[in-house]
Amino acid sequence: DQQVKQNSPSLSVQEGRISILNCDYTNSMFDYFLWYKKYPAEGPTFLISISSIKDKNEDGRFTVFLNKSAKHLSLHIVPSQPGDSAVYFCAASRQGAQKLVFGQGTRLTINP
Amino acid sequence: DVKVTQSSRYLVKRTGEKVFLECVQDMDHENMFWYRQDPGLGLRLIYFSYDVKMKEKGDIPEGYSVSREKKERFSLILESASTNQTSMYLCASGAGDPYEQYFGPGTRLTVT
Repeated sequence: DQQVKQNSPSLSVQEGRISILNCDYTNSMFDYFLWYKKYPAEGPTFLISISSIKDKNEDGRFTVFLNKSAKHLSLHIVPSQPGDSAVYFCAASRQGAQKLVFGQGTRLTINP
Repeated sequence: DVKVTQSSRYLVKRTGEKVFLECVQDMDHENMFWYRQDPGLGLRLIYFSYDVKMKEKGDIPEGYSVSREKKERFSLILESASTNQTSMYLCASGAGDPYEQYFGPGTRLTVT
């Protein structure tokens, strides 16, 4: 039972344009959501997060949007840069759970 | 700066061998995690530990065991390696609030 789903295995975007990565979840108890970025041969690194009491969180070029009614979150990267090419994982947790549930990941490729 | 280190970057073992993967963190985090990453499946939690000598099963614990004798060290043990355990293994640590986890570089294990 995949509680966190990233339905697009890959995404290709032109440099300078907006990249939008999507994530859906099924467990309404999740109250905290995170995005991680992973380069080949490296561990994932934390990118940005959002609490369920918010619907938007912004950090520089990265913005995460949360739509609780649709159980959907998205990561926007504007403008996209070649260094953004990586695999992006969304993750979710609920208070007291101590652990994260990850999606399958989306491979983002930024074309020059 | 949080540092999570893993004992090996690449490991090749034979079917039936006992395999130890070690992970050390230097941030005094209570929680430590072992994941495996497989294409199309994302990060799946094998085991986690929220205190010394404490462990909890994750989503896919079968064929694995863990040991946490010291706060900074968390070991993953494959009692009898099988080819379906060929994967990327990622260790992470976290303080539990607000759920952010810090990952090591990963160990690419191949079982032949």
